[in-house]
Amino acid sequence: EAGVAQSPRYKIIEKRQSVAFWCNPISGHATLYWYQQILGQGPKLLIQFQNNGVVDDSQLPKDRFSAERLKGVDSTLKIQPAKLEDSAVYLCASRRRTGTNTEAFFGQGTRLTVV
Amino acid sequence: AQTVTQSQPEMSVQEAETVTLSCTYDTSESDYYLFWYKQPPSRQMILVIRQEAYKQQNATENRFSVNFQKAAKSFSLKISDSQLGDAAMYFCAYRGGATNKLIFGTGTLLAVQP
Repeated sequence: EAGVAQSPRYKIIEKRQSVAFWCNPISGHATLYWYQQILGQGPKLLIQFQNNGVVDDSQLPKDRFSAERLKGVDSTLKIQPAKLEDSAVYLCASRRRTGTNTEAFFGQGTRLTVV
Repeated sequence: AQTVTQSQPEMSVQEAETVTLSCTYDTSESDYYLFWYKQPPSRQMILVIRQEAYKQQNATENRFSVNFQKAAKSFSLKISDSQLGDAAMYFCAYRGGATNKLIFGTGTLLAVQP
């Protein structure tokens, strides 16, 4: 089966600009996660979807970050306006809903550099 | 809130030797899952091994095994017969609770010396 697809792989923007990342999860996976991974740190969960509903967004900086998952499939994560500290790798992961003993599969991430 | 702690920022092992990476976690849940993920420079997170909290038997996957101590909330990863391809960042992760949130530790960078 195809893996989790993310685009773009790399993005360089100036501070105060906006940017959007796209994620296509594995077909049939109801749970989708977005993580922010700053260099040298572990991934930090930004938002978790179950189908097209938000399950957890407690660590999402809602004044500048937004995410949606229309129709419970693809998802986009947006930053507007970007700050220097947003420079990080943004990882998307998906997991099948039925059955608790299922692993999360990750995409290759989008490396964002804010200058 | 659940937390995952990895106290070893970096580790080094000689090729063919054995190394153990440490992880502790904190949770009030009784039902949860623990994972070790490997992240090479390509950034792709790869699942190495998983452990269900309700299972007393430690999980093993070829050269990888865990020492799961539920009472101590400890979950270490042992890599036997280390290979050059094992060099990567290793993350301990916890999944549980009503939302099945998946949270990660800060990682251990493993170097394998030839």
